[in-house]
Amino acid sequence: AQKITQTQPGMFVQEKEAVTLDCTYDTSDPSYGLFWYKQPSSGEMIFLIYQGSYDQQNATEGRYSLNFQKARKSANLVISASQLGDSAMYFCAMRETPNQAGTALIFGKGTTLSVSS
Amino acid sequence: DTGVSQNPRHKITKRGQNVTFRCDPISEHNRLYWYRQTLGQGPEFLTYFQNEAQLEKSRLLSDRFSAERPKGSFSTLEIQRTEQGDSAMYLCASSLLAGRGAFFGQGTRLTVV
Repeated sequence: AQKITQTQPGMFVQEKEAVTLDCTYDTSDPSYGLFWYKQPSSGEMIFLIYQGSYDQQNATEGRYSLNFQKARKSANLVISASQLGDSAMYFCAMRETPNQAGTALIFGKGTTLSVSS
Repeated sequence: DTGVSQNPRHKITKRGQNVTFRCDPISEHNRLYWYRQTLGQGPEFLTYFQNEAQLEKSRLLSDRFSAERPKGSFSTLEIQRTEQGDSAMYLCASSLLAGRGAFFGQGTRLTVV
């Protein structure tokens, strides 16, 4: 069965520092997609970054990058130069078939990131 | 605002009452999803639509839960005979058929007293 594991309930970082949020996944399907979402206290899930299982390069979106290690089944999110507004809950999620958007997303339990000045 | 819109944002209801939530997806998105999120957990998939067709509903939590998308635009999620365990955030998301990501609304927080 598919599973997403986020082992860090909470992370603390100072402004302008980089932080890595861990995510490991389990699937037997060779074709899958991995996502990171941010959920501030307002509740909205904000899409951050996507990595397909066949993508040759690690995904990057501005200050966000995904450290994709396929053999280790890990997809860690790296946030560079943290800002106070980055304080939120972060979820790693997986979809089995990246080319068919109808498949459900399976989410981890999330990591709460707190950025201090 | 062209994002996913959910109404109401908050709903308090007495146990045993029926509730209905509405989701307006991004206009060009043909896929619409419903998720439930309880405290301290990630969202849990409930059902999804492609246009007006409900293509997956086996993960609706019980037969008290139902969803519709009558014209392929907005969708409603109804919970009949609410129970205290139904208290949660209900999230709606939409995506393009060939898209990579789903875009979420701000959710409807349900409290059953």
